[in-house]
Amino acid sequence: EDQVTQSPEALRLQEGESSSLNCSYTVSGLRGLFWYRQDPGKGPEFLFTLYSAGEEKEKERLKATLTKKESFLHITAPKPEDSATYLCAVLGSNDYKLSFGAGTTVTVRA
Amino acid sequence: DSGVTQTPKHLITATGQRVTLRCSPRSGDLSVYWYQQSLDQGLQFLIQYYNGEERAKGNILERFSAQQFPDLHSELNLSSLELGDSALYFCASSIQDTSTGELFFGEGSRLTVL
Repeated sequence: EDQVTQSPEALRLQEGESSSLNCSYTVSGLRGLFWYRQDPGKGPEFLFTLYSAGEEKEKERLKATLTKKESFLHITAPKPEDSATYLCAVLGSNDYKLSFGAGTTVTVRA
Repeated sequence: DSGVTQTPKHLITATGQRVTLRCSPRSGDLSVYWYQQSLDQGLQFLIQYYNGEERAKGNILERFSAQQFPDLHSELNLSSLELGDSALYFCASSIQDTSTGELFFGEGSRLTVL
């Protein structure tokens, strides 16, 4: 069964203080790794798809990278509006469903 | 706004009761997914429908059932409710039958069982 582990569980940052979130995964035949953002009381919002090791994707202050065993979400010079829970999910070659990690809750203080 | 509509947003009921959660997918999306999110379990996949047919099943209890109607809206039925069923229930949709991983989630239905 696919497994996704995210660390840390929570991250408190000062505005402008860059940091990284980790997503370690075990999957049979990775078809894709996905990052979502979830605001309190809202549904997850799709951010990125990564398909193969070495791939990188960027969106504003967020950059996602992928290796054969883990993915990182780098937040550069975060702003308070980047505060959210970031979820990582994987899709294996034999899956119809996404397997989600527990998420990392990021709080950015002004 | 993801385009996925879920009702009701909040629901409070008692143990042993039955509730129905409703989801309207984005226009043009044929797949509907149901997920349960609780504090200790994270997002757990329940079931997927594609164009009216069940496509995949996850950790869905026998007390729970779902269906997708010809107009593509979906309903999740939860019966014989227990305290542990209290959670956020999300519906998501996508255009394809095999998940590409890019799902559009609704805002969820928060179920509280007392």
